[in-house]
Amino acid sequence: GENVEQHPSTLSVQEGDSAVIKCTYSDSASNYFPWYKQELGKGPQLIIDIRSNVGEKKDQRIAVTLNKTAKHFSLHITETQPEDSAVYFCAASKGAAGNKLTFGGGTRVLVKP
Amino acid sequence: EAGVTQSPTHLIKTRGQQVTLRCSPISGHTSVYWYQQALGLGLQFLLWYDEGEERNRGNFPPRFSGRQFPNYSSELNVNALELEDSALYLCASRAGRNNQPQHFGDGTRLSIL
Repeated sequence: GENVEQHPSTLSVQEGDSAVIKCTYSDSASNYFPWYKQELGKGPQLIIDIRSNVGEKKDQRIAVTLNKTAKHFSLHITETQPEDSAVYFCAASKGAAGNKLTFGGGTRVLVKP
Repeated sequence: EAGVTQSPTHLIKTRGQQVTLRCSPISGHTSVYWYQQALGLGLQFLLWYDEGEERNRGNFPPRFSGRQFPNYSSELNVNALELEDSALYLCASRAGRNNQPQHFGDGTRLSIL
């Protein structure tokens, strides 16, 4: 089955700096890659997603890139703010988002003011 | 629009007991997913229901079961509880149309004593 690896497991950045989280996946048939942000005591919240027919997607300070050949995708957060502090999860699935999500292990991001 | 709602928010049980967790999807969503988030193990896929049918099942024993009702709400049942079942159980829903993401509730925290 699918295996998703996520790095780093923890990331500390200064407010205003950029943060980058990287994920690799094993199943070349995976075609949908969402990113979730989970704050303490809450469920994961979708922040951005990308499909395999697109190489890059941007939404304000957040961007995701996908390299299908290398089977890896990355989350980029620019101009980080203290409210960006949370745990971020990448995930992969097949079947046009209809099937189960396989998650990476998570990255705890701390933005220091 | 109300998000995915789960009840109860917290539960304490003892080994060998049975538990039922409930999930109401976003209005108009027909697919419901259950995930287990145990400490140190990340988010693991449990079950997927769509249009009242079980569509996919993760690598969990048969004592984990569930169902989806005609109004698309769902229950997760866990029999013969074990200590390692202590976790946050998350429900997500998705619209039936292709290429739609999963949206999560805030989960039920289950503690087994």
